[in-house]
Amino acid sequence: DVKVTQSSRYLVKRTGEKVFLECVQDMDHENMFWYRQDPGLGLRLIYFSYDVKMKEKGDIPEGYSVSREKKERFSLILESASTNQTSMYLCASSSHRENQETQYFGPGTRLLVL
Amino acid sequence: QKEVEQNSGPLSVPEGAIASLNCTYSDRVSQSFFWYRQYSGKSPELIMSIYSNGDKEDGRFTAQLNKASQYVSLLIRDSQPSDSATYLCAVDRYGQNFVFGPGTRLSVLP
Repeated sequence: DVKVTQSSRYLVKRTGEKVFLECVQDMDHENMFWYRQDPGLGLRLIYFSYDVKMKEKGDIPEGYSVSREKKERFSLILESASTNQTSMYLCASSSHRENQETQYFGPGTRLLVL
Repeated sequence: QKEVEQNSGPLSVPEGAIASLNCTYSDRVSQSFFWYRQYSGKSPELIMSIYSNGDKEDGRFTAQLNKASQYVSLLIRDSQPSDSATYLCAVDRYGQNFVFGPGTRLSVLP
């Protein structure tokens, strides 16, 4: 059974704090993604990774960085949290294999920055 | 023009009716198309994927793809209150990357 887990369901941080969001998948997927979801704006891609130690910017990378040291783990880092980064953060993974590009999502982390 | 467009809704249908959800996309080279369902407070879950023109049926769900018109739709037959959710259309971009539409909120009334 497909499983993507995220380290926290809810997180409250202060402005300026460094924030780590962790995502782990157990499907041996090559691709991993970080999105944020905001009312009226839908799902927006922050960063993605096709392989270990590889990363690509998505549509809204500003204020974020990522790390992929192991195939199963993809971390999103907010270097200095700001109130406009209050959002739902969703991690997803998928496979390179043809017609298996379906992205499977984790449960999400709802982040509040005060 | 936005890459993937959907009516935000809410779309309200009575229980037992057919719900029709529509999606248009701008990139003609897109090859893979997906419908996700998202319940309030939950993460998206895949309902259907479709890669070829025409219809694809899975239980009460039918996905329809028309690449010439750059149009994807999802039909839900015999709609149930449990189908009430937001439905997201996703289209592949370069590589393994998706772009998601804003979603259509469906409400099935008992």
